Amino acid sequence: GENVEQHPSTLSVQEGDSAVIKCTYSDSASNYFPWYKQELGKRPQLIIDIRSNVGEKKDQRIAVTLNKTAKHFSLHITETQPEDSAVYFCAASPWAPKLSFGAGTTVTVRA
Amino acid sequence: NAGVTQTPKFQVLKTGQSMTLQCAQDMNHEYMSWYRQDPGMGLRLIHYSVGAGITDQGEVPNGYNVSRSTTEDFPLRLLSAAPSQTSVYFCASSDSYGYTFGSGTRLTVV
Repeated sequence: GENVEQHPSTLSVQEGDSAVIKCTYSDSASNYFPWYKQELGKRPQLIIDIRSNVGEKKDQRIAVTLNKTAKHFSLHITETQPEDSAVYFCAASPWAPKLSFGAGTTVTVRA
Repeated sequence: NAGVTQTPKFQVLKTGQSMTLQCAQDMNHEYMSWYRQDPGMGLRLIHYSVGAGITDQGEVPNGYNVSRSTTEDFPLRLLSAAPSQTSVYFCASSDSYGYTFGSGTRLTVV
């Protein structure tokens, strides 16, 4: 099955700086790569996703890049704000029902 | 439009007891899944369904059963609760790739 590794496990950044989280996956059949944000005690919320026919996608301060050859994808958050503090999960899927998640990155934005 | 609704929100079970976690969606999604979330381990797939009457095992299915008699409902049954099943359980639904999660059930087995 799919194995997704996520780094780093914790990330502390100064407000206004950028944050980068990286993930690798093992199954070359995976073609869908979402990112979720989870605040303490809440459900995971989809923040951005990318499919394998696209190399990069951007939505305001958030961007995701995908390198299918190397089997890795990354989340970039620019101009970080205190409300960006949360746990972020990457995931990969060769087929919609079978989403495999990374272990998560706890992001803390220091004011 | 409530999205994905899970009940109960909290539950304490004694070892050996059985119970059913309820999940319902009102978005007419084909796909539904159950995940468990443990500290430091992300979310792990327990069971999933691609339509009414069709279910399959995920990464960690042991100790759990599911059924899908309707498009809307996808209950998760714990057959004989064990302390290792203490976790937060999330149900999710999807029409293609965009997953919507329920608010979760925090289960403690003592």
